[in-house]
Amino acid sequence: EDQVTQSPEALRLQEGESSSLNCSYTVSGLRGLFWYRQDPGKGPEFLFTLYSAGEEKEKERLKATLTKKESFLHITAPKPEDSATYLCAVHTQGAQKLVFGQGTRLTINP
Amino acid sequence: NAGVTQTPKFQVLKTGQSMTLQCAQDMNHEYMSWYRQDPGMGLRLIHYSVGAGITDQGEVPNGYNVSRSTTEDFPLRLLSAAPSQTSVYFCASSYSLQRNYGYTFGSGTRLTVV
Repeated sequence: EDQVTQSPEALRLQEGESSSLNCSYTVSGLRGLFWYRQDPGKGPEFLFTLYSAGEEKEKERLKATLTKKESFLHITAPKPEDSATYLCAVHTQGAQKLVFGQGTRLTINP
Repeated sequence: NAGVTQTPKFQVLKTGQSMTLQCAQDMNHEYMSWYRQDPGMGLRLIHYSVGAGITDQGEVPNGYNVSRSTTEDFPLRLLSAAPSQTSVYFCASSYSLQRNYGYTFGSGTRLTVV
């Protein structure tokens, strides 16, 4: 069974304090790994798709990387507006769905 | 604005009542799906559709029905509401999951069953 585990469950940082969120996965065959951002009371918002080990993508203060077993979302010099829950999901071979992790709730204090 | 529209935003039902959650998208997306989000459980797939007239079950389909008569609409029907169906429901669409396009999510329906 495909599984996605995110850690930590919650992370509190000071503004400007860089860190990383982890998404580890156990799947039969990875077709793509997705990162989403979710603000309270809203639907998830698409950030990145990664397809193969070694791939990296960046957007403003966020950079996502992928290995054969996990993905990291690096946040550089975060600002309070980066506070949100970050969700990781995988699309696997032969599946018509995304399997989501439980998310990391990130809080950036000014 | 283009996107996924869900209605209603909030709903309170009594146990045993039925209702339909509406989802519409105007992006000509083939793939549509329904997820529920519960604290500590993450997003779980209820039903999905890869095109008009084609639907299939996800991880937690019991108590829910779907149909896809048009590309634009994908309603979710609760047949006989139970307190266990209290959750936030999200509809999501994509041009093609096989091409790893990102999902576009609606803003959600918060359902409480009493």
